Amino acid sequence: QVQLEESGPGLVKPSETLSLTCTVSGASITSSFWSWIRQPPGKGLEWIGFIDNTGNAKYNPSLKNRVTISVDTSTNQFSLNLTSVTAADTAVYYCARKPTVSRNWFDPWGQGTQVTVSS
Amino acid sequence: QSALTQPRSVSGPPGQSVTISCTGSSSDVGGYNYVSWYQHHPDKAPKLLIYDVNKRPSGVPNRFSGSKSGNTASLTISGLQAEDEAEYYCCSFTGSSSFRVLFGGGTQLTVL
Repeated sequence: QVQLEESGPGLVKPSETLSLTCTVSGASITSSFWSWIRQPPGKGLEWIGFIDNTGNAKYNPSLKNRVTISVDTSTNQFSLNLTSVTAADTAVYYCARKPTVSRNWFDPWGQGTQVTVSS
Repeated sequence: QSALTQPRSVSGPPGQSVTISCTGSSSDVGGYNYVSWYQHHPDKAPKLLIYDVNKRPSGVPNRFSGSKSGNTASLTISGLQAEDEAEYYCCSFTGSSSFRVLFGGGTQLTVL
């Protein structure tokens, strides 16, 4: 059974970099694609991006200049870096698996982690 | 404003059926069979209910069904149960030429 768990700082200052990690258990990180999705307060879900099992990443065009997703095969984790954050980046951040290149859905998801951008 | 349009809320008594719509465009929902639906209870991980428009993962009750007509996808929940009360989100992937992943704004289901 694949399980994902997000971790990272709950508070980030404006203009700094938001960094989160997702730990994958029950599957090798080289077996699937891995995604980040967020939900700002009172709003719907927003796809941030995903990275495939060759290290290639696709990003939401609206965030592309600020976001990097990377994989660490030695720890079975993948990470999100979002630079130059503002209050608009305050959200619950979820990590999720996209099973393969042709399977276009997210399953499973982590429980999410709240990140607040504030000085 | 979310990319895909869902009603903010729907409701129904136990045992009845409800349908949640998800409207996009010919570039996403209407153009590809990559629509999925997720159930989200507060403080829990979102759960996949439907993928590829109308397929259910193992373990998801057949009370949940999906369909699509033109640019609108729908999730129907029949035989409503109290535990179905949750937020529901649709999602659409687009093709590789201008790749995007879009979500709806979410629909709160209340079981009366």
